[in-house]
Amino acid sequence: GIQVEQSPPDLILQEGANSTLRCNFSDSVNNLQWFHQNPWGQLINLFYIPSGTKQNGRLSATTVATERYSLLYISSSQTTDSGVYFCAVEKGTGGFKTIFGAGTRLFVKA
Amino acid sequence: NAGVTQTPKFRILKIGQSMTLQCTQDMNHNYMYWYRQDPGMGLKLIYYSVGAGITDKGEVPNGYNVSRSTTEDFPLRLELAAPSQTSVYFCASASGRSSYNEQFFGPGTRLTVL
Repeated sequence: GIQVEQSPPDLILQEGANSTLRCNFSDSVNNLQWFHQNPWGQLINLFYIPSGTKQNGRLSATTVATERYSLLYISSSQTTDSGVYFCAVEKGTGGFKTIFGAGTRLFVKA
Repeated sequence: NAGVTQTPKFRILKIGQSMTLQCTQDMNHNYMYWYRQDPGMGLKLIYYSVGAGITDKGEVPNGYNVSRSTTEDFPLRLELAAPSQTSVYFCASASGRSSYNEQFFGPGTRLTVL
C-alpha cells in the first residue's frame, strides 16, 4: 500500500522562528490534507491541497503531485502552534482509503 | 451546524464487554470514516462508508463492525473488547465529491479496556 513519511519527526523552535515540514508519499494520490492536532487532541483542518499552493495567514502549503511531496510552511511561529502536524493522503476509486503519516511533533518555546 | 459529533467522550470497558461508539454529522456528507489513534502515533483507518448502506474495510478492521443505515449516522461496534483496543477513536465525514473531499473530524472518544 501507499507509504506516507513525514519529516522531521520532532521540532523545537524559538517563538518567531520559521519552519518547513515535509510529507513524502510513495504513489499518486487523489487528495492530500494537512491537520494540526492541538495539545487537547483536537484535529484542526489546515489545508486541503492535492496540488498547488495555498496560504492562510502565517501558514502556507505546497503540493507537487508529480514529485509526490507536500510542504507545510510555518512563519513567525507562536506557542499556540505547538502540537502535532499530520499529513493525510487518499487514494482509490469509488471510495477513498485514507493513510496518515506519523506526524511532526512541534514545540514552540516562548 | 454542529459538524461531527461523537459520544461518549470517555469510556472504560472490561475485557470481553461490547459497546457502540456513536457518530453523527449534520453536513449532509456522503462519506464517513472511523479512525483509531494509539498514543504517540498517527491515525489508522478502521472502516469507511461512501453512502447509506455501503461500507468498506480500512487498514485495521479486525475486532470492529460498522453499519450505515442513514446519511447522518455511522456507529462503530466493538465486540469482545480487548486491551489492544485501548485507543482514541475519531470519526470524520467528507462530501464525497471527487473534486473536493476535505475531511472534518469529531472530537474523539477515549476508550480504555482493562
